[in-house]
Amino acid sequence: QKEVEQDPGPLSVPEGAIVSLNCTYSNSAFQYFMWYRQYSRKGPELLMYTYSSGNKEDGRFTAQVDKSSKYISLFIRDSQPSDSATYLCAMSEGNTPLVFGKGTRLSVIA
Amino acid sequence: EPEVTQTPSHQVTQMGQEVILRCVPISNHLYFYWYRQILGQKVEFLVSFYNNEISEKSEIFDDQFSVERPDGSNFTLKIRSTKLEDSAMYFCASSAVTGNTGELFFGEGSRLTVL
Repeated sequence: QKEVEQDPGPLSVPEGAIVSLNCTYSNSAFQYFMWYRQYSRKGPELLMYTYSSGNKEDGRFTAQVDKSSKYISLFIRDSQPSDSATYLCAMSEGNTPLVFGKGTRLSVIA
Repeated sequence: EPEVTQTPSHQVTQMGQEVILRCVPISNHLYFYWYRQILGQKVEFLVSFYNNEISEKSEIFDDQFSVERPDGSNFTLKIRSTKLEDSAMYFCASSAVTGNTGELFFGEGSRLTVL
C-alpha cells in the first residue's frame, strides 16, 4: 500500500463551484498535514497547514483532517479560474521529511 | 517578498557528465532541502541540510549526489555522473525552523534533462 494516495484527476469545475480534494494515507504516525499549490512550471507553495485532527479555515480554503479514517481534505469555496493548479497533499511525522501525494490537477472554467 | 531562487532553470547534459544545481535560500532560513519530481511522479525528498551538514537523506541520495553550502548564501546540489533516470525537476527549499512540520518555501525548480 502506497504511503500517501491522491487522485491525480484532472478535475474540471465551473467557476463558483465548491471543490473537494482528498488524500488518504497509511502511516498512523503522521501528525502534520499540509496542502501545497503548484502552478505550471513553478515550485510548490504552501496553502494550508494542520497539526493533528480537526478543521482549519483560511478565506475560501478549508482543510480537514480525520486521523481515525486516515483521510484529509481541502475544500475550495467559490472557486476561481486563478485556482487552476495542481494541489499536492503532504504529511510528516514531525521528525521525518515530508511525504507528498501525487497531486490533483484542477481546472476552474470561467 | 523573500523567495528561494534557483539556477539554472533548465539544463541539458549528456549521461555521465557532472551537474551542479544552485540555490539561494531565503536569507534568514536555517534549514535547506532538495526535492525532486520526475515527470508525472510525486515530489520526493532527497536531502536536508542544517548547520553545515546533512541532517537526513533518502535512499535516492546515493554516492553520486552531494550538497554544499560554499558560502553564506548559496546551497548547491552536485550530481557526479548523471544517469538517464536523473532527469527530473529539482526543487530547492528552505525553512526558518525544521521543515518536517510543513512550512517549506520552494524555489521554481531546475529542470534537468539527461541525454
